[in-house]
Amino acid sequence: DAGVIQSPRHEVTEMGQEVTLRCKPISGHDYLFWYRQTMMRGLELLIYFNNNVPIDDSGMPEDRFSAKMPNASFSTLKIQPSEPRDSAVYFCASSFLGSKYFGAGTRLSVL
Amino acid sequence: QKEVEQNSGPLSVPEGAIASLNCTYSDRVSQSFFWYRQYSGKSPELIMSIYSNGDKEDGRFTAQLNKASQYVSLLIRDSQPSDSATYLCAVNINGNTGFQKLVFGTGTRLLVSP
Repeated sequence: DAGVIQSPRHEVTEMGQEVTLRCKPISGHDYLFWYRQTMMRGLELLIYFNNNVPIDDSGMPEDRFSAKMPNASFSTLKIQPSEPRDSAVYFCASSFLGSKYFGAGTRLSVL
Repeated sequence: QKEVEQNSGPLSVPEGAIASLNCTYSDRVSQSFFWYRQYSGKSPELIMSIYSNGDKEDGRFTAQLNKASQYVSLLIRDSQPSDSATYLCAVNINGNTGFQKLVFGTGTRLLVSP
């Protein structure tokens, strides 16, 4: 398996623009997670899905963030409008029976 | 109190020594514990999981769990320069919905000098 695939790897955008991050989980994994990592706050869970259904979005910072999982092989995290404080590395992870595997991450810079 | 706490380090050890990384957690009902290694600029990589009190060994790595003390540790024997990375402790926390979610500590940076 190719592992968890995220795109793009790097995104540079201007404040106010819409940003969409994409994730393809490992085939057969029933959980999908979106994390954000910064130096100050470490790795924070934003939202997670079980069998494509959002289970806990309490970590989503505000209404500017939204996530969808239309099928078992694809998920998106959208930020609209983006702000400089959203600059971070965003990781997608999938799991089966508890062990999580992370994608390579998307490094987002909002200018 | 943070849900998962780690000393940020850096923890410096000479090559060949034992590195000891520690983690405490706040949720008494947590059942699953994980150690991840993250090289600079890379994604976290799962290296150990432990579910029962006691020790679990995998090669040069040993995870130790003490649920009564809410403490989990990772020992790295015969440390190598290639072990230099940030080590993240992660604990499954029961979410309000009844499902478990993984909460990470901020990590301990390990430096192994040749």
